[in-house]
Amino acid sequence: GAVVSQHPSRVICKSGTSVKIECRSLDFQATTMFWYRQFPKQSLMLMATSNEGSKATYEQGVEKDKFLINHASLTLSTLTVTSAHPEDSSFYICSAIRTGLGEEQYFGPGTRLTVT
Amino acid sequence: SQQGEEDPQALSIQEGENATMNCSYKTSINNLQWYRQNSGRGLVHLILIRSNEREKHSGRLRVTLDTSKKSSSLLITASRAADTASYFCATALTGGGNKLTFGTGTQLKVEL
Repeated sequence: GAVVSQHPSRVICKSGTSVKIECRSLDFQATTMFWYRQFPKQSLMLMATSNEGSKATYEQGVEKDKFLINHASLTLSTLTVTSAHPEDSSFYICSAIRTGLGEEQYFGPGTRLTVT
Repeated sequence: SQQGEEDPQALSIQEGENATMNCSYKTSINNLQWYRQNSGRGLVHLILIRSNEREKHSGRLRVTLDTSKKSSSLLITASRAADTASYFCATALTGGGNKLTFGTGTQLKVEL
């Protein structure tokens, strides 16, 4: 149990376009999900906390108008990178916490975004 | 800024040897977690140790936590080639809810 999927696994887009990444908890409900980005050979940096039914909470330095997060159901959060630029190329990883069972985060397999 | 600093940054050992990775952090925590990441993949949760715990075991893994020194260690015993991966510590800060702050990571290579 506790499987989290991400779609797509890889995406290449042109500069100036928008890209949507989905994060799904497949066998549990997740009131809270998190979005991270990871540059090559670096650690994960938390971008935002996604809360079902309410606005996401963004970390300092993360532009909320550029990285749109929607958590419309207990099993789905989406991250839309708007007007993407090459510097947005990164590995985006989501995680989810089981509703009511706190602490452990279950991570998705990640999405590799390349902006040309 | 990142909460955790890990050392060493890279570690190369022979199969069968033990691997020890260390993590230091700066502020008060609720718990500390260790994760493994294979190249270009997602993270796998290994073990969680709470701030009131000092040691925890899971299979070939042993984690210690010293809150007075703000440090933790992960020991992998009898390592296998399949243990080759990056290992990250992550801290849940006091008052930070379930948010995790990740350390810089240790790249472990286990050679046959």
